Amino acid sequence: GAVVSQHPSRVICKSGTSVKIECRSLDFQATTMFWYRQFPKKSLMLMATSNEGSKATYEQGVEKDKFLINHASLTLSTLTVTSAHPEDSSFYICSGERGNTEAFFGQGTRLTVV
Amino acid sequence: SQQGEEDPQALSIQEGENATMNCSYKTSINNLQWYRQNSGRGLVHLILIRSNEREKHSGRLRVTLDTSKKSSSLLITASRAADTASYFCATASNNNDMRFGAGTRLTVKP
Repeated sequence: GAVVSQHPSRVICKSGTSVKIECRSLDFQATTMFWYRQFPKKSLMLMATSNEGSKATYEQGVEKDKFLINHASLTLSTLTVTSAHPEDSSFYICSGERGNTEAFFGQGTRLTVV
Repeated sequence: SQQGEEDPQALSIQEGENATMNCSYKTSINNLQWYRQNSGRGLVHLILIRSNEREKHSGRLRVTLDTSKKSSSLLITASRAADTASYFCATASNNNDMRFGAGTRLTVKP
């Protein structure tokens, strides 16, 4: 299967700082990438849909100024958590869609804000 | 390697038939979840089964979990054309980090 690389896998940051998470499709072009967040003991929540070259589509309740998404190329999407707070601590995972039929997931990022 | 490997990779059936998809994993888990994804859309959570549960039902969905074999199955009964989608299993380990498999592409022909 195709590979989506997500980096970093774990990050600890101080309150008020920003953290960038990268999601790269290594061997295919992903016109669409999805960003998810998992709250403790809950299922994944879709945060936003990212399309190359256009603005991301955010789900209801997700602050677009808080979670900045940039899909700069067909192989890279980034999620920046701005002015992070402890409540932003979570597991974030991305997936890249190939050809509208297949999705491949990154390894996820465990963010801890202290 | 990724936790959670589904098989088959692709499954094509007629409307009304049952569809069974399997998922195997390697390490101990806290729970296992099944998701569905339609083309161009995000994941939709279907069902969560905890490590101490063996079977769960939700409508036309039936999920089993065998922790001794480190495997799970998703059964969709009386399939419909609208069930056509990709189905993923995801395992959550004790630290709650999730791992996804490659998915099963289900096609239900009308």
